[in-house]
Amino acid sequence: GAVVSQHPSRVICKSGTSVKIECRSLDFQATTMFWYRQFPKKSLMLMATSNEGSKATYEQGVEKDKFLINHASLTLSTLTVTSAHPEDSSFYICSARSSLSEETQYFGPGTRLLVL
Amino acid sequence: SQQGEEDPQALSIQEGENATMNCSYKTSINNLQWYRQNSGRGLVHLILIRSNEREKHSGRLRVTLDTSKKSSSLLITASRAADTASYFCATAIDRGSTLGRLYFGRGTQLTVWP
Repeated sequence: GAVVSQHPSRVICKSGTSVKIECRSLDFQATTMFWYRQFPKKSLMLMATSNEGSKATYEQGVEKDKFLINHASLTLSTLTVTSAHPEDSSFYICSARSSLSEETQYFGPGTRLLVL
Repeated sequence: SQQGEEDPQALSIQEGENATMNCSYKTSINNLQWYRQNSGRGLVHLILIRSNEREKHSGRLRVTLDTSKKSSSLLITASRAADTASYFCATAIDRGSTLGRLYFGRGTQLTVWP
């Protein structure tokens, strides 16, 4: 089956630093990747849609200068949390959609971010 | 908001019993999907049902969709302790720029006791 990886799986950083999270589709090409944020015992909140070779589309209320998204290739999208603050601590999950099966999204294992 | 809502929020049953979770949503959809999430992990896609379908089966899973009531149900038969997880429904709206975006409900936490 389609596999999506995320790196790192867990990161702890100091307030004010930037953190980059990678999302890779390992065995398929992903024309579109999605970034979600999940708070404890809460739903996944879609943050942005990332299309290869073009600018990401952000959901309402998500600061694009705060959460930088780059989708440089058909297998890699990155999310950079800039000048992280404790309130940015969360579980970040990416998903990828194959050009061959556009209805299904394959999710990565998530990245736990803790900002001290 | 298009976000789906699952009911109940938590469900606790014994192994061998059936588990039923419901999902309601607000606007027209292209398809509805159910996902499973183990604690602290990513999501696993379980089943997708299109707006023109009423029922779908996959192993011990049975999903129904009632577009007139804007609701769906997920039935897990003969549950096992390994089914313990959070279950989310997600709706997909294929309209213009929203193509492919999924809107998730808050999930149902299922606990299956041995």
